Amino acid sequence: RKEVEQDPGPFNVPEGATVAFNCTYSNSASQSFFWYRQDCRKEPKLLMSVYSSGNEDGRFTAQLNRASQYISLLIRDSKLSDSATYLCVAVSSNTGKLIFGQGTTLQVKP
Amino acid sequence: EPEVTQTPSHQVTQMGQEVILRCVPISNHLYFYWYRQILGQKVEFLVSFYNNEISEKSEIFDDQFSVERPDGSNFTLKIRSTKLEDSAMYFCASTEGGLRSPLHFGNGTRLTVT
Repeated sequence: RKEVEQDPGPFNVPEGATVAFNCTYSNSASQSFFWYRQDCRKEPKLLMSVYSSGNEDGRFTAQLNRASQYISLLIRDSKLSDSATYLCVAVSSNTGKLIFGQGTTLQVKP
Repeated sequence: EPEVTQTPSHQVTQMGQEVILRCVPISNHLYFYWYRQILGQKVEFLVSFYNNEISEKSEIFDDQFSVERPDGSNFTLKIRSTKLEDSAMYFCASTEGGLRSPLHFGNGTRLTVT
């Protein structure tokens, strides 16, 4: 089983739609999680940190379900500029190393 | 806002040649990383570095790879004898440390091995 697993998509949604991505992790000891955004051929950029049950920042909401070992990212009122790949990241509690999922691609269309 | 900087942005080299990829992490950060991303694939961990030594490395990080912090600011990745499959985007990252500290990435070096 992959350490961090995401549905690669692509998710094609119209502007204004609400879209949700899920991510599962295998290491139950992982304590911290992040969502990064990556544009084509660019570096990953931090979108949100997820520590406890969840976090909200404007149109973006991240939730953590430790019992089921998954993290979700909800994007409301999608914008064209939200088109990117969204990377789910788990922090290994043993080493502090960040483990990346393969990413979920979002394409928001007018 | 302070940022991680990487040079060069693009490096083309012939198979078998040595390359050095350079990074300047954020100045007050203590943990440094190299990740790579082959085109169309996931971001993969290569190595982490703390207190002037490697703290962890992946199976990708074999004897052809080495890292160094030659002075107080630079953090380098050397590939001794490049192979075609080393072609990828290489990202340097740094963090203050602690499980809640996210990584800050540089904008990467695209390595093309011909």
